[in-house]
Amino acid sequence: QKEVEQDPGPLSVPEGAIVSLNCTYSNSAFQYFMWYRQYSRKGPELLMYTYSSGNKEDGRFTAQVDKSSKYISLFIRDSQPSDSATYLCAMSGVAGGTSYGKLTFGQGTILTVHP
Amino acid sequence: DGGITQSPKYLFRKEGQNVTLSCEQNLNHDAMYWYRQDPGQGLRLIYYSQIVNDFQKGDIAEGYSVSREKKESFPLTVTSAQKNPTAFYLCASSIGGNYGYTFGSGTRLTVV
Repeated sequence: QKEVEQDPGPLSVPEGAIVSLNCTYSNSAFQYFMWYRQYSRKGPELLMYTYSSGNKEDGRFTAQVDKSSKYISLFIRDSQPSDSATYLCAMSGVAGGTSYGKLTFGQGTILTVHP
Repeated sequence: DGGITQSPKYLFRKEGQNVTLSCEQNLNHDAMYWYRQDPGQGLRLIYYSQIVNDFQKGDIAEGYSVSREKKESFPLTVTSAQKNPTAFYLCASSIGGNYGYTFGSGTRLTVV
C-alpha cells in the first residue's frame, strides 16, 4: 500500500463548477501538507501549504486537513479553463522523523475544466 | 530572477550509456532533490541532499548517482544499470526542513 493515495482521475468539469480533489495517507507522522499544480510538460508549483489539521483559504482555493481521518482535500471554486492541470498532494513529517524534509507525493489528479 | 534551471529539456540515450542531467539553482537553498515522474505514479524520490558534500538515497536510487560539490549544483547521472530510465526527471530545492519545494521545468529522458 502506498503511503499517499490520490485518485488519478481524469476529472472533467464545466467552467464555474466546484472541484474537490482528495488524498488519503497512512503515515501518522505527516504534519505538513501541500498541494502542487503542474501544467503539461512543466515542473510543479506550490499552490497551498498547511500545517496539521484545519482549513486554509487563498482566493478560489481552499485546503482542508483532517488528521483524524488521514484525509486532505483541495477545493477550487468557480473553476476556470486555466485551472486545467495535474494536481499533486504532498506531505512530510516532523523533525527527527524519517519523513522530515522529504515530501511524499500522491499520484496526481488530472483536471480539465471545459468552457 | 531566482529559480532552478534544468538542462537539457529533452535527452535521448542509447541503451548502455550513462547520461548526466544538470540542475542549477540560484535561490541560495540548502536542500536539493531529484524526483522521477512516470504516468500514474506521481513523483518518486531518487536522491536528496540537505547540505553540500552530503546526500542520501531516496526510494528508487538504484541505477542513479549524484554529487553535491557546490551549493548551487546537484547533477544526476543515470547509469546503464538503470533498467527503465525513460521518464520525466524533476529537480527541486528548498530552504530545508518542511518548507515547500521550488521545482525546475524538468528533463524528459528517452532511451532509444
